Amino acid sequence: QVQLVESGGGVVQPGRSLRLSCAASGFTFNKYGVHWVRQAPGKGLEWLAVISYDGRNKFYADSVKGRFTISRDNSKNTLDLQMDSLRTEDTAVYSCAKGYYDSSGVTALGLDHWGQGTLVTVSS
Amino acid sequence: IQVSQSPSSLSASVGDRVTITCRASQGISSYLAWYQQKAGKAPKFLIYAASTLQSGVPSRFSGSGSGTDFTLTISSLQPEDFATYYCLQVNIYPWTFGQGTKVEIK
Repeated sequence: QVQLVESGGGVVQPGRSLRLSCAASGFTFNKYGVHWVRQAPGKGLEWLAVISYDGRNKFYADSVKGRFTISRDNSKNTLDLQMDSLRTEDTAVYSCAKGYYDSSGVTALGLDHWGQGTLVTVSS
Repeated sequence: IQVSQSPSSLSASVGDRVTITCRASQGISSYLAWYQQKAGKAPKFLIYAASTLQSGVPSRFSGSGSGTDFTLTISSLQPEDFATYYCLQVNIYPWTFGQGTKVEIK
C-alpha cells in the first residue's frame, strides 16, 4: 500500500532554515509528481509546491516562492522541502502527497495519498 | 486562481441533504477535486474532475459543475460524514484550496 512518511519538523527561530523529508513506498515513485501541503493550527489546507516525476518542473505557491525549495531523489524514493527565511506564519503541519493522474498519466487531477504530516513551529 | 468556498460551516441532521459550493475566480473547466478531512487525520480524496467519485467513496456523495461554479452534494448525511470539506482547483499551478466547510451535527 502507498505510504508517505514525513520527518524533520521541529521548533525553529524566525529567519532560520529547516529541511523536511518525505519517504515514499508502495508505488513507483519515479512515475509521479509529488506535492507539499500545509495546515496551520485550526486553519485550512494550503497547497505549497509540486515537483514533476523527473524533477525537471517545479511550481510554488506565492507565499513560499523564493524561500522554499522542493527536490526529490528518485534513487532513494524521497521528497524534500528546504525551508529558508522562516516566518512565524509558516507554523503548520507539513504533509507530502502523491499526485493522481488521468489515464494518460499526463494530467494531474488531484492528490490521492497523503502522509500524516510533521509539525513545524516557528517561534523565538 | 482564487477559490471561494461556502458556507464556512453548516449544521445538519442525519439524513439531511447537504450542498457545499466552490467558485473559482476564473474558469477552470472541470479541474476540481473534493476532499473530506476529519480532525487529526489526513484529507480523504472524494471526487476528481468535478464529478467523478474516487474508488470506494459512497454514492451518496456527488459533485457537479464546470467553469467557475461547482457543488458537492451529500444526498443523505450519515454520522461518519461530519467533517470538514475542501475543494481544490487543479487547473493551473499554483493549485488552490477553498477555505473549507465544517459540517456539524445539529
